[in-house]
Amino acid sequence: AQTVTQSQPEMSVQEAETVTLSCTYDTSESDYYLFWYKQPPSRQMILVIRQEAYKQQNATENRFSVNFQKAAKSFSLKISDSQLGDAAMYFCAYRSARDSSYKLIFGSGTRLLVRP
Amino acid sequence: EAQVTQNPRYLITVTGKKLTVTCSQNMNHEYMSWYRQDPGLGLRQIYYSMNVEVTDKGDVPEGYKVSRKEKRNFPLILESPSPNQTSLYFCASKYRGRLNEKLFFGSGTQLSVL
Repeated sequence: AQTVTQSQPEMSVQEAETVTLSCTYDTSESDYYLFWYKQPPSRQMILVIRQEAYKQQNATENRFSVNFQKAAKSFSLKISDSQLGDAAMYFCAYRSARDSSYKLIFGSGTRLLVRP
Repeated sequence: EAQVTQNPRYLITVTGKKLTVTCSQNMNHEYMSWYRQDPGLGLRQIYYSMNVEVTDKGDVPEGYKVSRKEKRNFPLILESPSPNQTSLYFCASKYRGRLNEKLFFGSGTQLSVL
């Protein structure tokens, strides 16, 4: 069974600085998708960034970028120029391309604190 | 506005009292799903539905029921809630098919079972 591990329960970053959140996953499949979701205090689940496993190029969305290491099964999220609004819980998630249930497998989350 | 609407947002109930959490989407999505979020466990899939009258179990279906009589609605039913079902619940929907992977989430329902 696939698993997703986020080993950092909490991280802290100074406003305007850069922070990296870690995520590792375990799978025997070669075709899958990886996601980072942001959950602010409003509880809304917001898709931050997505990576297709067959793409070697790391995904980027404005200040958010990933470091996708397929062989190492690692999928870290880098947030540049951190802003107060980035404070939230961040979840890493995996989805098999072959799973007809479209099930997302989530990590346990990393709470990001942003210091002004 | 495209959205997934869950109600209620907060719910406190007692053990054994049947309850329903409603979920409705206005995007004509075929696929809908329920997740529960617990501290230290992330989100886990409870049930999902690929289309009207087509539902199946996710990873943690015990104690829950669902129905999909209409495309837009996917209610979650707890026939006899227990304290271990105290959790934050999310409904989600998307288009079927590989090319559009975005999953739309509702705003969550915080359930407390006393």
